[in-house]
Amino acid sequence: GENVEQHPSTLSVQEGDSAVIKCTYSDSASNYFPWYKQELGKRPQLIIDIRSNVGEKKDQRIAVTLNKTAKHFSLHITETQPEDSAVYFCAARSGANNLFFGTGTRLTVIP
Amino acid sequence: DAGVTQSPTHLIKTRGQQVTLRCSPKSGHDTVSWYQQALGQGPQFIFQYYEEEERQRGNFPDRFSGHQFPNYSSELNVNALLLGDSALYLCASRWGNTQYFGPGTRLTVL
Repeated sequence: GENVEQHPSTLSVQEGDSAVIKCTYSDSASNYFPWYKQELGKRPQLIIDIRSNVGEKKDQRIAVTLNKTAKHFSLHITETQPEDSAVYFCAARSGANNLFFGTGTRLTVIP
Repeated sequence: DAGVTQSPTHLIKTRGQQVTLRCSPKSGHDTVSWYQQALGQGPQFIFQYYEEEERQRGNFPDRFSGHQFPNYSSELNVNALLLGDSALYLCASRWGNTQYFGPGTRLTVL
């Protein structure tokens, strides 16, 4: 089955700086890659996703890039704000299969 | 439009007991998946229901079973609870590619 690895496990940045979280996947058939943000005690919330026919997608301060050849994808957050502090999960899915999640990155934005 | 809802929010059980968790999907969504999220970990896929049948299953023992009703709501049942079953149980409903998660049920097994 699919195996998703995520790095780093923790990340601290100064407010206003950029944050980058990286994930790799094992199943070359995976074609959908969402990113979820989970605040303490809350449900995972989808923040951005990308399909395998696209190399990059941007939504305001958040962007995701995908390299199908290398089987890795990354989340980029620019101009970080304290409210960006949370745990971020990447995931991968092939076809109708369900999501396989990474182990999460705890992002702390220092004011 | 209500999102995905789950009940109860918290539950405490003892080893060997059985538990039933409930989920109502987002309006119009017919596919429900269940995930287990242990503390500090990412969600792990348990199984998926569509058209009242289990369509896919993750690497979980038969102690974990489920059901989907004609109105698309779903139940997760866990028998013979173990301490290691303590986790946040998340239900998600799906429309196209996107999965929407419920708030979860926090299960504590003592």
